[in-house]
Amino acid sequence: AQSVTQLDSQVPVFEEAPVELRCNYSSSVSVYLFWYVQYPNQGLQLLLKYLSGSTLVKGINGFEAEFNKSQTSFHLRKPSVHISDTAEYFCAVSPLSASKIIFGSGTRLSIRP
Amino acid sequence: EAGVAQSPRYKIIEKRQSVAFWCNPISGHATLYWYQQILGQGPKLLIQFQNNGVVDDSQLPKDRFSAERLKGVDSTLKIQPAKLEDSAVYLCASSLAEGSNSGNTIYFGEGSWLTVV
Repeated sequence: AQSVTQLDSQVPVFEEAPVELRCNYSSSVSVYLFWYVQYPNQGLQLLLKYLSGSTLVKGINGFEAEFNKSQTSFHLRKPSVHISDTAEYFCAVSPLSASKIIFGSGTRLSIRP
Repeated sequence: EAGVAQSPRYKIIEKRQSVAFWCNPISGHATLYWYQQILGQGPKLLIQFQNNGVVDDSQLPKDRFSAERLKGVDSTLKIQPAKLEDSAVYLCASSLAEGSNSGNTIYFGEGSWLTVV
C-alpha cells in the first residue's frame, strides 16, 4: 500500500520570498510522483511529475521538485512566489503497476503582499 | 484538446434526496475515475473504470453510491439517498490506459460541488 504525508497543512509566505512545500511518501513498490495545484473553486491541475531520470523536475509556473529516494521525499520549491500562487497544493503517488493515484491531505499556500 | 467535462458544477439538495453527476473524459482516455474531496482534505478515490469495467470500487459506499460507464466513454455517479456527510466536491478524472507512456498522469475536471442540507 502507498501513503503520502504533507507535513504542513498551511504555509504563509511573503510575496517574492522562496517557498518549500514538504512531501514524504511510503510505498513497498516503485512509484511515480506528482504535484497538483488546486486554485480556489477549481479542479486539480498537474504542476509536475517524476517518472524516472533526473531527480530534479521542473514544472509549470516556475515550480520545481526534487525526488530523494533515500529520504522518500518529493519536496516542491519555488524561488520567488507571487500572489497568483495562492492555492492548495497536493502531493501524490502512483504505483508503476497501476493507474491509481493516492493524494496527500494538501498544503494551503497563502501569499502575503 | 478538450479537457474532462463535468456537470452540474453546483448542486444543493436536501438529505435523503438523490443526485446524479455526469462526466465526459478526454477523448481516447480509457481509464476514468471518480474522486470525492471533502473540504480540507485530499481527494479520495471512489471508483475507477477501465473502459466500461470496474477496476477498483473498494471505497465506494455501495449502499448509497452507484456509478456506471456503459459505453466506455461517459460516466454517471449517483447518490441515493444523500446524507449530510456527502457534502463534497466530486471530481471526475481520466487517463490513458495502464502502461501508457503518459506515466499515469491523470487529468481532472473542475468538479461538481455538492451541498446536502
